[in-house]
Amino acid sequence: NAGVTQTPKFRILKIGQSMTLQCTQDMNHNYMYWYRQDPGMGLKLIYYSVGAGITDKGEVPNGYNVSRSTTEDFPLRLELAAPSQTSVYFCASSYVQLGEAFFGQGTRLTVV
Amino acid sequence: AQTVTQSQPEMSVQEAETVTLSCTYDTSESNYYLFWYKQPPSRQMILVIRQEAYKQQNATENRFSVNFQKAAKSFSLKISDSQLGDTAMYFCFMNYGGSQGNLIFGKGTKLSVKP
Repeated sequence: NAGVTQTPKFRILKIGQSMTLQCTQDMNHNYMYWYRQDPGMGLKLIYYSVGAGITDKGEVPNGYNVSRSTTEDFPLRLELAAPSQTSVYFCASSYVQLGEAFFGQGTRLTVV
Repeated sequence: AQTVTQSQPEMSVQEAETVTLSCTYDTSESNYYLFWYKQPPSRQMILVIRQEAYKQQNATENRFSVNFQKAAKSFSLKISDSQLGDTAMYFCFMNYGGSQGNLIFGKGTKLSVKP
């Protein structure tokens, strides 16, 4: 049982480049989330999804896009990377609205 | 607004001693879950313990226990017999089942266990 799998684990981007962070879960969870973790700031919600085909913005969505074409996958797209997007990104999922969250191992992204 | 506050950015404890991490929260929801997660240097987020708001009994998992005071909206984590492997960031968070992204995190407490 792989749980939540995020790729890549590390990435360095140049300003203006684009990339997609991949997130896959094999637990048939409806709820999926993308967070960023900045030092001393805890986790901030970027986007979330309550099921395939349904996504919504969180607290800090600017500069990001998501899609949810299947229950399993929830990729996060960064367009025109900026230094302010340097952070650690976590994907998470949960089975029910009030359930425990399962996290991927995180992606450390540096924009230079 | 739903909020979670961890007022201790850093704490340290001697190995084998007991330490308590504080968490307060605010919500207008009647049903919610509270969690403590541990994040070691590996970055992996690991569930430590959960508490359902409708349960009065405090949750316990081996050396980890919570003091859940619903009226005071307080949810502290007690770690007994601290071990070096407990060194990590600890996050308190609430799942209130809301429609606007329902997981609310505190900023974390960095715990160092000293030999």
